[in-house]
Amino acid sequence: RKEVEQDPGPFNVPEGATVAFNCTYSNSASQSFFWYRQDCRKEPKLLMSVYSSGNEDGRFTAQLNRASQYISLLIRDSKLSDSATYLCVVIRGTSYGKLTFGQGTILTVHP
Amino acid sequence: GAVVSQHPSWVICKSGTSVKIECRSLDFQATTMFWYRQFPKQSLMLMATSNEGSKATYEQGVEKDKFLINHASLTLSTLTVTSAHPEDSSFYICSAARTSDNEQFFGPGTRLTVL
Repeated sequence: RKEVEQDPGPFNVPEGATVAFNCTYSNSASQSFFWYRQDCRKEPKLLMSVYSSGNEDGRFTAQLNRASQYISLLIRDSKLSDSATYLCVVIRGTSYGKLTFGQGTILTVHP
Repeated sequence: GAVVSQHPSWVICKSGTSVKIECRSLDFQATTMFWYRQFPKQSLMLMATSNEGSKATYEQGVEKDKFLINHASLTLSTLTVTSAHPEDSSFYICSAARTSDNEQFFGPGTRLTVL
């Protein structure tokens, strides 16, 4: 079983739609959680950290459920520019700084 | 601020040659840098952790004699792919952990094609 699993999609949604991505992680020692965005042939860029209390940044909302080892990302009012691959990333408590990436979920927002 | 550069951005080489990739933190110091590899339609896989002034630590399954890492200063780490073969063709990305707060910043990646 992969340490971080995501639904690869692709998700094809119209502009203005709300879309949600899910991610599960297998190592209960994981302590830090992030969502990254990666555009085609580019490096990943940090979208937001994920906290147990849930956090929001504009149109983006991230949730963490430690009991279920589950992370989510909600994008509201999708824009064309949101089209990218979204990567769920965790850091295990015992592997300081080492990021473990999920395979990514592809999102395409169309007019 | 917090810019990481990689050089070259892309390289094509013949099988059997060695290729050196540089990762530089331009405006911050990074005691630790990480090297990742990404094959098409797959996610990033950590190859090794590069520590300034000491030996790199490699992930399971990564050959340390094939992927030589040198982290000689707080702003530069290099990855040398020795005797490259077509199966080494990939997108190599580094990240640098800022010493002051350990936040990581990614380089733009190097696309290696081995013919």
